[in-house]
Amino acid sequence: EIVLTQSPGTLSLSPGEGATLSCRASQSVTSNYLAWYQQKPGQAPRLLIYGASSRATGIPDRFSGSGSGTDFTLTISRLEPEDFAVFYCQQYSSSPITFGQGTRLEIK
Amino acid sequence: QVQLQESGPGLVKPSETLSLTCTVSGGSISSYYWSWIRQPPGKGLEWIGYIHYSGSTNYNPSLKSRVTISVDTSNNQFSLKLSSVTAADTAVYYCARSKEGSGRRWFDPWGQGTLVTVSS
Repeated sequence: EIVLTQSPGTLSLSPGEGATLSCRASQSVTSNYLAWYQQKPGQAPRLLIYGASSRATGIPDRFSGSGSGTDFTLTISRLEPEDFAVFYCQQYSSSPITFGQGTRLEIK
Repeated sequence: QVQLQESGPGLVKPSETLSLTCTVSGGSISSYYWSWIRQPPGKGLEWIGYIHYSGSTNYNPSLKSRVTISVDTSNNQFSLKLSSVTAADTAVYYCARSKEGSGRRWFDPWGQGTLVTVSS
């Protein structure tokens, strides 16, 4: 099983700043089969990024994904008030599908 | 666009079987993979398993002995059964869709989720 470790656990930033979230895998994620989700309180997760760097339909271009192998990054440029939430990475390279434990992005 | 809606009892007694159904509207259940994912209160996400519309399944080994996922293409629904539940199975249960094809098992869209509490 591929274990995904996200860091930091909590990130405190102000609107307008940039955010960098990390997701590290315990073994290589084949073909960059990694996705990122945003979850707000009381809501289901929303797909942001798939294939490590492809934005899902309707996702603003201030969200970008990068990385390969075992190290992946979600970058949010110019934080908007609605961006503050919990973010999860997910690998679908091998079964079982696994998620990271999440990074909470909070308003400073 | 396609929408998913979970339904089922919100309270299940310990040792009994949890049963949920996901109804797909606005699109066909065919040509996709359909997953169940859960989230204990205040915690992270755990993939339970998926079913292809053809009926083939893949389960998380951590739950495999207790899980059955089935599909009803005539009613555009798929279902989850989790047996011998304990308090540790208390969670919000989501259903979600994945595309066919190698390397396309991200989840989009998701249902709104339904809270299932295991308690006597």
